[in-house]
Amino acid sequence: DTGVSQDPRHKITKRGQNVTFRCDPISEHNRLYWYRQTLGQGPEFLTYFQNEAQLEKSRLLSDRFSAERPKGSFSTLEIQRTEQGDSAMYLCASSLGGGNVLANYGYTFGSGTRLTVV
Amino acid sequence: GQQVMQIPQYQHVQEGEDFTTYCNSSTTLSNIQWYKQRPGGHPVFLIQLVKSGEVKKQKRLTFQFGEAKKNSSLHITATQTTDVGTYFCAGRASGSARQLTFGSGTQLTVLP
Repeated sequence: DTGVSQDPRHKITKRGQNVTFRCDPISEHNRLYWYRQTLGQGPEFLTYFQNEAQLEKSRLLSDRFSAERPKGSFSTLEIQRTEQGDSAMYLCASSLGGGNVLANYGYTFGSGTRLTVV
Repeated sequence: GQQVMQIPQYQHVQEGEDFTTYCNSSTTLSNIQWYKQRPGGHPVFLIQLVKSGEVKKQKRLTFQFGEAKKNSSLHITATQTTDVGTYFCAGRASGSARQLTFGSGTQLTVLP
């Protein structure tokens, strides 16, 4: 499979519990992004990795959110002490990256993890 | 922070009619990308525009990037039922070659 894989596809959790999502990007892609999408809205940026380095994190992102990409391959997104407002689709995307903005660096998205906090 | 707005939010067209969605950024963009998300699916990359005034075509789809690199449009000629979905523009702010800021999308419904 040459696409972006996300696991699990669905997660239902009780408020206050911790959850962790996994993303396996396209192996040739050095950039990995996490976005969150709620119904009727566009994807909202959460964080970005180039190889294993986390280079950007949204200022809107609570301290309860943390992401890792330990070996520059797969990534995990953890949400601690979940709240009902965390319910959303969490999308992972990967792309090639570099300094040449003229190159075609479209994102390839995974199918997402739908989180429901009850 | 950077904001990307899209209009209209919803558009219903009869099959065969044309469709246009517009995207406006609060800041100058280094480039803009367009994505399509089918109902229940995930965003799929369509195209990237980089140059001021650039126009690109993909079959019935025409993409434009404004001269000031702050706006863009997607025009679909003679819509088909397969065009159904939400179309998002996503801009990368000048000076940053990393994250994309997505618009809120235009949801297209094509009536047969």
